[in-house]
Amino acid sequence: EAQVTQNPRYLITVTGKKLTVTCSQNMNHEYMSWYRQDPGLGLRQIYYSMNVEVTDKGDVPEGYKVSRKEKRNFPLILESPSPNQTSLYFCASSLSPRGDTQYFGPGTRLTVL
Amino acid sequence: EDQVTQSPEALRLQEGESSSLNCSYTVSGLRGLFWYRQDPGKGPEFLFTLYSAGEEKEKERLKATLTKKESFLHITAPKPEDSATYLCAVEGVGQGAQKLVFGQGTRLTINP
Repeated sequence: EAQVTQNPRYLITVTGKKLTVTCSQNMNHEYMSWYRQDPGLGLRQIYYSMNVEVTDKGDVPEGYKVSRKEKRNFPLILESPSPNQTSLYFCASSLSPRGDTQYFGPGTRLTVL
Repeated sequence: EDQVTQSPEALRLQEGESSSLNCSYTVSGLRGLFWYRQDPGKGPEFLFTLYSAGEEKEKERLKATLTKKESFLHITAPKPEDSATYLCAVEGVGQGAQKLVFGQGTRLTINP
């Protein structure tokens, strides 16, 4: 089944403890992206990747890092999480970087205490 | 700056009562307009992509239409299982790599 997977689905952590949220897609998509969703603010893009080893900032990149060493994986790294990063995170992928439909993962609910 | 406004914020209908959701947008050259459905705590589920004014797409009880300034999601004879938040997003040609700008969504409730 074609899908985007994320792990973990739920995570409670404390301020400053480094964490990684994994994202993987099995559709051979070139483009991958991370979003966060907050009440009243909607979905906002954090980082995106056009292809392997090509990444760039979205609208809200502060406090996050990403890497794209393999086409299928696009992990999101929070090196020193803070409470304002408590949010619902979604990974998405599309076949090509322009005009193609993005397919979303199931989400990761992160709470930073 | 690209913007998307959805209305109404929330809509409550009786089962079988047809209605429309609105998505108004401003974009520097539309590359695509996307409709998604989102259930609470889950990822957005793709519904439709529209690329040019006049285009229409249908899927079961849903029909999406597009003009140069807005898109409508028409829902015909809805059922309780159609209850969800419906999200509209646009991608503009001025954004460089694909970036979706989302609206706030319309929360639709269908009462049996």
